[in-house]
Amino acid sequence: EAELLESGGGIVEPGGPLRISCEATGFTFSSHGMIWVRQAPGKGLEWVAAVTGSGSRTYYADSVKGRFAISRDNSKNTLFLQMSSLRVEDTATYYCARQIGGNFYGMDVWGQGTTVTVSS
Amino acid sequence: DIVMTQSPLSLPVTPGEPASLSCRSSQSLLHSNGYNYLDWYIQRPGQSPQLLIYLGSHRASGVPDRFSGSGSGTDFTLTISRVEAEDVGVYYCMQALQTPPAFGPGTKVEIK
Repeated sequence: EAELLESGGGIVEPGGPLRISCEATGFTFSSHGMIWVRQAPGKGLEWVAAVTGSGSRTYYADSVKGRFAISRDNSKNTLFLQMSSLRVEDTATYYCARQIGGNFYGMDVWGQGTTVTVSS
Repeated sequence: DIVMTQSPLSLPVTPGEPASLSCRSSQSLLHSNGYNYLDWYIQRPGQSPQLLIYLGSHRASGVPDRFSGSGSGTDFTLTISRVEAEDVGVYYCMQALQTPPAFGPGTKVEIK
């Protein structure tokens, strides 16, 4: 069974860095594009970033471009999100998800989420 | 950027009755390949989102056939033929045609 498990969330001060991870099991990781989606407390879903299966191409929401970097290590079946210059408004639960196919559609496997709190 | 809207934002439903949720995009989601790049997700209380429908009308693996997606271009509908208690939650549509993908604000479905 395909599963995703996020880790690395926590409390960080504004302006600080944090890296969160997502370990994949039960499927051929390198065959799927991967996505990060976040959800601020009590709010809706926001698409954050995506990476192709090979890791050669990345895509970002305007709200995080230049501050966040998505990457993957296919040898370790792990997806990363390196966050820097964190802002209070980045406080959210961050979910990783697997894409069925290209063009970002069909996120068919989701993790349970990891919580990032940006606060002084 | 493509902007997504949903209506209604809140939908009280009666178990056993049908329900219809609407989603609209600010630009056509119809690709030249003939597919509409529109997904539907449900987020049940306290849970991660779950894919229901992708490419406008394709039901995801394991999703009950009481869920169906329809529409093309800028107007889409998620229909639940007979609502069950487990269908409560927030339903999001998402456009996947252009970067950045965008979710709608969600429709909260609750039992009357």
